[in-house]
Amino acid sequence: NAGVTQTPKFQVLKTGQSMTLQCAQDMNHEYMSWYRQDPGMGLRLIHYSVGAGITDQGEVPNGYNVSRSTTEDFPLRLLSAAPSQTSVYFCASSSPRTGGYGYTFGSGTRLTVV
Amino acid sequence: AQSVAQPEDQVNVAEGNPLTVKCTYSVSGNPYLFWYVQYPNRGLQFLLKYITGDNLVKGSYGFEAEFNKSQTSFHLKKPSALVSDSALYFCAVRDDSTLGRLYFGRGTQLTVWP
Repeated sequence: NAGVTQTPKFQVLKTGQSMTLQCAQDMNHEYMSWYRQDPGMGLRLIHYSVGAGITDQGEVPNGYNVSRSTTEDFPLRLLSAAPSQTSVYFCASSSPRTGGYGYTFGSGTRLTVV
Repeated sequence: AQSVAQPEDQVNVAEGNPLTVKCTYSVSGNPYLFWYVQYPNRGLQFLLKYITGDNLVKGSYGFEAEFNKSQTSFHLKKPSALVSDSALYFCAVRDDSTLGRLYFGRGTQLTVWP
């Protein structure tokens, strides 16, 4: 009963480095999303997917890429890290079967870019 | 466009007193409304949702929320606050056109003092 699993939990990057934040869910949910949380800003949607092979941009997509090759996995790639990407990142999944499409969230990845 | 407003950054209440955390929303279609809670260094946990039906929705940990269509509000309430209710609370909304996307407010920090 793992739900949504995010790795790593913590990461420090240097400016310009690239990395991938991993997200996996075992609930066979169709929808998956990535959010970033910044103080006073709430949660802002980066990218989302409504099924394998289908992704779309959210409110703040610049500097991030995603792909959805399987139902279970939805990795988020930082192409060239910048200090402005210092944040807490949350992955979430949902399904019409959950009633109202309420999201289940992972525990987050705290990223610091120096 | 969909949006959520939480007009209070912080709510302070004494233990045993009733609490209210306010939320107003804007959507173009029928609203689907959610409340989530976040404890320090944790992910978001689902509290309750409004999809359709009764305007008063009951959720986890004794929380409830009242949907008011005319005022476009979905305030979170609890009759008697506990110190353990202290956390960050988020209101979120989607409508029929935003499959896979939830829009969040900026969050309200609830502090319950003994």
